[in-house]
Amino acid sequence: EDQVTQSPEALRLQEGESSSLNCSYTVSGLRGLFWYRQDPGKGPEFLFTLYSAGEEKEKERLKATLTKKESFLHITAPKPEDSATYLCAVRDSNFGNEKLTFGTGTRLTIIP
Amino acid sequence: DAGITQSPRHKVTETGTPVTLRCHQTENHRYMYWYRQDPGHGLRLIHYSYGVKDTDKGEVSDGYSVSRSKTEDFLLTLESATSSQTSVYFCAIRADRGSSDIQYFGAGTRLSVL
Repeated sequence: EDQVTQSPEALRLQEGESSSLNCSYTVSGLRGLFWYRQDPGKGPEFLFTLYSAGEEKEKERLKATLTKKESFLHITAPKPEDSATYLCAVRDSNFGNEKLTFGTGTRLTIIP
Repeated sequence: DAGITQSPRHKVTETGTPVTLRCHQTENHRYMYWYRQDPGHGLRLIHYSYGVKDTDKGEVSDGYSVSRSKTEDFLLTLESATSSQTSVYFCAIRADRGSSDIQYFGAGTRLSVL
């Protein structure tokens, strides 16, 4: 059974203080790993998708990386508007599998 | 927002009553999904559709049914709502661009079953 574990559950950073969020996963065969951002009362907003170990994607202050067992979301010099819950999900490569398996998220707070 | 509209956005209902949530999309995507989100759990797939009248179960489908009579609408029905179905429900579509697997989500429906 596919599993996704995110850590830490919550993280408070000062503005400008860089850090990383972790997503560990277990899947029979990885078809894709997805990062989403979710603001309170809203739906998840797509950030990145990664498909193979060694792949990296960047967007503004965010950078996502992937290994065979985990993914990191690096946040460089964050701003208060980066405060949100960040969700990680995987899709395995079994034919016909439409399910994304989500972690429970990391709640990030950036303090001005 | 990938052209997804969920309605209603909030609903309070009583145990035992039927409830239907609607997801409407404007971009003719083939795949549509219903998830629920609860504290301590990740988003969990309830049902999904891969075309008009084509649907399949997800991991938490008990107590729910779906219908898709038009490409643009995907309905989720709770035949007899229970308190355990109090949750936030999200609809998603899968972008039909090449081999893209990306799912885009609506704004959600907050359902309370009293």
